[in-house]
Amino acid sequence: NAGVMQNPRHLVRRRGQEARLRCSPMKGHSHVYWYRQLPEEGLKFMVYLQKENIIDESGMPKERFSAEFPKEGPSILRIQQVVRGDSAAYFCASSPRQGSGNTIYFGEGSWLTVV
Amino acid sequence: DQQVKQNSPSLSVQEGRISILNCDYTNSMFDYFLWYKKYPAEGPTFLISISSIKDKNEDGRFTVFLNKSAKHLSLHIVPSQPGDSAVYFCAASPETSGSRLTFGEGTQLTVNP
Repeated sequence: NAGVMQNPRHLVRRRGQEARLRCSPMKGHSHVYWYRQLPEEGLKFMVYLQKENIIDESGMPKERFSAEFPKEGPSILRIQQVVRGDSAAYFCASSPRQGSGNTIYFGEGSWLTVV
Repeated sequence: DQQVKQNSPSLSVQEGRISILNCDYTNSMFDYFLWYKKYPAEGPTFLISISSIKDKNEDGRFTVFLNKSAKHLSLHIVPSQPGDSAVYFCAASPETSGSRLTFGEGTQLTVNP
């Protein structure tokens, strides 16, 4: 029973390139969340998606960042024209429904380094 | 505006003793609180949660206490074990919606053998 799968685990991009992070939720989960952890900080909410819908993107930077969760396939967090400040750990989480936090399960994270 | 604060970046305790991790919040709309444990290079793992209608929740060695009037919660681990060494994050959300968790900065717990 696989957990939340994220790939790549580590990604290095030069400034100005695009980064794509993928997340496959746990089986049976239709709610996906993305969080970002900058160095020496806690996790910060970015976006909450259900299949084909963005429910809450209030934590997403206004520019360069986008997320999708298509009907088929994983959720994608896309960062265009990356800058050094985008270097962080990006965590995906999933739940079977909107609701109590103890049903939210996190993936292992994707570490983005911008050089 | 840090709505959830963990004022101690680190805590060191002896094996077998009690570990107490603290968390304060400012947003009155929060009424569901969670603790996550995180090892380096891994994702957070859910530990225990508490709703604002309770003041205590216990699960094995882990107990969470909530003082709603003081907007303060704490996680007690007893007895502490070396395997408990990790970063502990406090998180909060409004009502029982888990869609948006607000995390504290984390406390690094080290349990010495």
